[in-house]
Amino acid sequence: KQEVTQIPAALSVPEGENLVLNCSFTDSAIYNLQWFRQDPGKGLTSLLLIQSSQREQTSGRLNASLDKSSGRSTLYIAASQPGDSATYLCAVASSNDYKLSFGAGTTVTVRA
Amino acid sequence: DGGITQSPKYLFRKEGQNVTLSCEQNLNHDAMYWYRQDPGQGLRLIYYSQIVNDFQKGDIAEGYSVSREKKESFPLTVTSAQKNPTAFYLCASSHSGATQYFGPGTRLLVL
Repeated sequence: KQEVTQIPAALSVPEGENLVLNCSFTDSAIYNLQWFRQDPGKGLTSLLLIQSSQREQTSGRLNASLDKSSGRSTLYIAASQPGDSATYLCAVASSNDYKLSFGAGTTVTVRA
Repeated sequence: DGGITQSPKYLFRKEGQNVTLSCEQNLNHDAMYWYRQDPGQGLRLIYYSQIVNDFQKGDIAEGYSVSREKKESFPLTVTSAQKNPTAFYLCASSHSGATQYFGPGTRLLVL
């Protein structure tokens, strides 16, 4: 069974600092890996999707890398802003049935 | 305006009562999913459906039931057999193997 771990569980940084969020998974037979953002009491918003054949994806200030062989992904957020405060969830899609396995998330607070 | 809607936003259940959570999408997605989210935990899959009139159990299906009579709709019933139903419930949809799009969620509370 796929296990997804996100470390740290919580992170607090001053505005302008770069953010580094980590995600690890136990089974490398994945179809893709996705990063989501969740605001308190809200649904999930997809940030980046990395196919299993890709090494990284970029969107604006966000960059996500994938090392399938070591079972790791990292989400980088450059020049953080208070509006980046949220919980960030990593999810891995199985190559068998595309079902997602989620990490517990990293809750980020960016202090003004 | 395309998207996924869930209703109600808050739902209260009395002991022994069945309650139904609504999920509708107009994205023409074949696949739909129900997840449960508890504090400090990742989302856990309850049921999913990849085509109309067919659905499969996820990791925590006990105490829940679903139907998929229309492509656009995937309601979830929380039965009285679910002894710990208090949670945040999220519905999602996708084309097969593609990014899942999530609804705003329903928070279920027990009276």
